[in-house]
Amino acid sequence: QSVLTQPPSVSGAPGQRVTISCTGSSSNIGAGYDVHWYQQLPGTAPKLLIFSNINRPSGVPDRFSGSKSGTSASLAITGLQAEDEADYYCQSYDSSLSGSLVFGGGTKLTVL
Amino acid sequence: QVQLQESGPGLVKPSQTLSLTCTVSGGSISSGDYYWSWIRQHPGKGLEWIGYIYYSGSTYYNPSLKSRVTISADTSKNQFSLKLSSVTAADTAVYYCARGKDDDFDIWGQGTMVTVSS
Repeated sequence: QSVLTQPPSVSGAPGQRVTISCTGSSSNIGAGYDVHWYQQLPGTAPKLLIFSNINRPSGVPDRFSGSKSGTSASLAITGLQAEDEADYYCQSYDSSLSGSLVFGGGTKLTVL
Repeated sequence: QVQLQESGPGLVKPSQTLSLTCTVSGGSISSGDYYWSWIRQHPGKGLEWIGYIYYSGSTYYNPSLKSRVTISADTSKNQFSLKLSSVTAADTAVYYCARGKDDDFDIWGQGTMVTVSS
């Protein structure tokens, strides 16, 4: 069981908007620690998509956006494209048990 | 730009020590701005942070792996390394090295598959 909970899968048609949730607790997201998001295309290494809750690294399209509230965070993808089909992971810091960087279990996005 | 490349044996016997090296190009691991991490991904599963080393040499490990993990750096070669002792089949995974800053990981290596089997 991951410390951060994500839905196993989401799907949407091209052009639609989808969101992926990341639910934590008072020892991680709720404690104010930043949330980061990664995109992992099939057979490749993860790529940083959103850092510090809302920021996009250079080169990431503005179709991708992040938000955070309370003990949860969300990744939104608008104008869904076929190449967005991938696994998405949230990541934060957890202060319990001596502290650790933790990932969500991942969400498989299918573009219908 | 900065690139990371993992190297090491793809097959390790049970109870032995897994050893991997990450070679960094395009930037120095001695830079005070970043930390250098190892992350793994079990087949078909999610990501697990293993630990990291700061430019100062300080190390931080996942508590669940701490007793078996050592991360070290060789600044003269611009490399950092992972040693995981007493491996079992549960340590079979793709191992990634990554650069970190502010608790995120902004640059990743391509990953290397390590299988634990006799």
